[in-house]
Amino acid sequence: EPEVTQTPSHQVTQMGQEVILRCVPISNHLYFYWYRQILGQKVEFLVSFYNNEISEKSEIFDDQFSVERPDGSNFTLKIRSTKLEDSAMYFCASSTPWSGGSPPNYGYTFGSGTRLTVV
Amino acid sequence: EDQVTQSPEALRLQEGESSSLNCSYTVSGLRGLFWYRQDPGKGPEFLFTLYSAGEEKEKERLKATLTKKESFLHITAPKPEDSATYLCAVQAPRNTDKLIFGTGTRLQVFP
Repeated sequence: EPEVTQTPSHQVTQMGQEVILRCVPISNHLYFYWYRQILGQKVEFLVSFYNNEISEKSEIFDDQFSVERPDGSNFTLKIRSTKLEDSAMYFCASSTPWSGGSPPNYGYTFGSGTRLTVV
Repeated sequence: EDQVTQSPEALRLQEGESSSLNCSYTVSGLRGLFWYRQDPGKGPEFLFTLYSAGEEKEKERLKATLTKKESFLHITAPKPEDSATYLCAVQAPRNTDKLIFGTGTRLQVFP
């Protein structure tokens, strides 16, 4: 079964450092997302990306965050200057567009996540 | 504001003891309601999508139902391997693809 792959699985970084989290979405998916989950809290939407541009972003996704699809397979999330409160699990997800007609039993496929620890 | 509330927060069941998890939602026009399973330290694993009131979907010991205000995830004769956190999420219209998640129900099934 197709998978969303995320690397690294765990990243420890010092406050103020830049980090890049990497994702390889499912190959025929067109929509890409980043979500995060702070320990013990809800999964929260960060950003969605379609057709090489951001289609939606949350209040969390401020100027410190950026996303990029540098080639045909990778999707990255960059945090420019990490803060302690950025410590969380970051999940990449991808999906296909709903083409209309009978709704498919589609769902967003999530990766296993990157645990980011800012010290 | 769109909201998703799940109950109970935690549920302990004996193997074979059937039960239901609740997801109540407040959204201005539901486009889809999603159920996911999440194991510790892992990403959410897709289970079901429900689109309209009255719809039901089944997979092995799990059955999801939907009304205009809530969804239930029924677990029939659970096994220890069903132990996980079950997440409910909704997708509202207004040109958005984002999912709004509840806090989840942590299920433990004991042999």
